[in-house]
Amino acid sequence: EAGVTQFPSHSVIEKGQTVTLRCDPISGHDNLYWYRRVMGKEIKFLLHFVKESKQDESGMPNNRFLAERTGGTYSTLKVQPAELEDSGVYFCASSQVGRRPSYNEQFFGPGTRLTVL
Amino acid sequence: AQTVTQSQPEMSVQEAETVTLSCTYDTSESNYYLFWYKQPPSRQMILVIRQEAYKQQNATENRFSVNFQKAAKSFSLKISDSQLGDTAMYFCAFMKHKDRDDKIIFGKGTRLHILP
Repeated sequence: EAGVTQFPSHSVIEKGQTVTLRCDPISGHDNLYWYRRVMGKEIKFLLHFVKESKQDESGMPNNRFLAERTGGTYSTLKVQPAELEDSGVYFCASSQVGRRPSYNEQFFGPGTRLTVL
Repeated sequence: AQTVTQSQPEMSVQEAETVTLSCTYDTSESNYYLFWYKQPPSRQMILVIRQEAYKQQNATENRFSVNFQKAAKSFSLKISDSQLGDTAMYFCAFMKHKDRDDKIIFGKGTRLHILP
């Protein structure tokens, strides 16, 4: 079974440009998460989709970031316009939907390294 | 708010030695999950071990074990008989044990080098 995939693996853009990152979750996983790691800092949560709905977007830094998950399958994260501080590694994760107290492991993709010059 | 602190940015040990990675956390929750994730140089992050806070017994997965001290809010990872393939960034992480709140909170990571 294929794992979580992300595209592209690397992206180098100039300040002010637009970049779109894509995440394909594991088939059948309704939960999809975006995280970001800025150099030297913690990996931080950005948002959580359940199918196509945003369950929690409390970690989105500002309105330059737009996440979508049309049809509840793959997700895109668009940064427009990109700023220098947006540089970092963007991780996507997916998990099955289940009822607590059972734990549904989040499986992570390899990340997209974004460099804004 | 929950925080996770890893005080060792980088460590190096010889192959076959035992190494312990430290982690402390802060939370007002009574029930939660704690994790150690491993991210090898190829970048895919994988779950190494999980601990549920209501379980007193320390979790173990082969050569990996944890020392969970709930009162002290400490969650260290011990790697026994370390191997070259253990070279990676290790992240300590926390998650609430609550519906509709699945976000994982990570520490800054410890870069571990296993030396031949």
